[in-house]
Amino acid sequence: SQELEQSPQSLIVQEGKNLTINCTSSKTLYGLYWYKQKYGEGLIFLMMLQKGGEEKSHEKITAKLDEKKQQSSLHITASQPSHAGIYLCGAASSTDKLIFGTGTRLQVFP
Amino acid sequence: NAGVTQTPKFQVLKTGQSMTLQCAQDMNHNSMYWYRQDPGMGLRLIYYSASEGTTDKGEVPNGYNVSRLNKREFSLRLESAAPSQTSVYFCASSLTTVRMNTEAFFGQGTRLTVV
Repeated sequence: SQELEQSPQSLIVQEGKNLTINCTSSKTLYGLYWYKQKYGEGLIFLMMLQKGGEEKSHEKITAKLDEKKQQSSLHITASQPSHAGIYLCGAASSTDKLIFGTGTRLQVFP
Repeated sequence: NAGVTQTPKFQVLKTGQSMTLQCAQDMNHNSMYWYRQDPGMGLRLIYYSASEGTTDKGEVPNGYNVSRLNKREFSLRLESAAPSQTSVYFCASSLTTVRMNTEAFFGQGTRLTVV
């Protein structure tokens, strides 16, 4: 079965610093989703990447998809306390089910 | 527009008790999902329904049953709850299957504790 591995598992950064979260798939990627979850709440959709080499940005968050390497990265520029939460990558499995990585917990301190 | 609604939000069960988690969406979506979230484990797929009348097992289906009552509703049943089923459960829906690159929308979750 397909697995998504995220790194790092946990990240603590000072406000204003840049950071990157990675998501690596054990099998071919058919699109890659990034979600954010605030503690104790549901998931909020951030971005969807469909093609190799695709890059999307929303405010200070940029995501890229490297299809050949079967991985995606999420980069946050000049982090703020509002960026804190759990970031999850999701992908379509070979049987067309939406599966998720283990998540990256981000804390941003002033 | 409510999106995906889950009930209840919180539940405490005794070992061996049964219960059904309800999920309804008002977006006319075809696909619906049930996940559980445990610390350090991300979201794991329990069951999936690609369309009304169809269901399929996910990564961790043991101990659960589902019912796709109609296009709007997808319920998750625990026949005999066990402490290992203590978790936060999320329901989600999407217009089509994920290989068609459609966004999935999530409910707010049900926090279940089995004692």
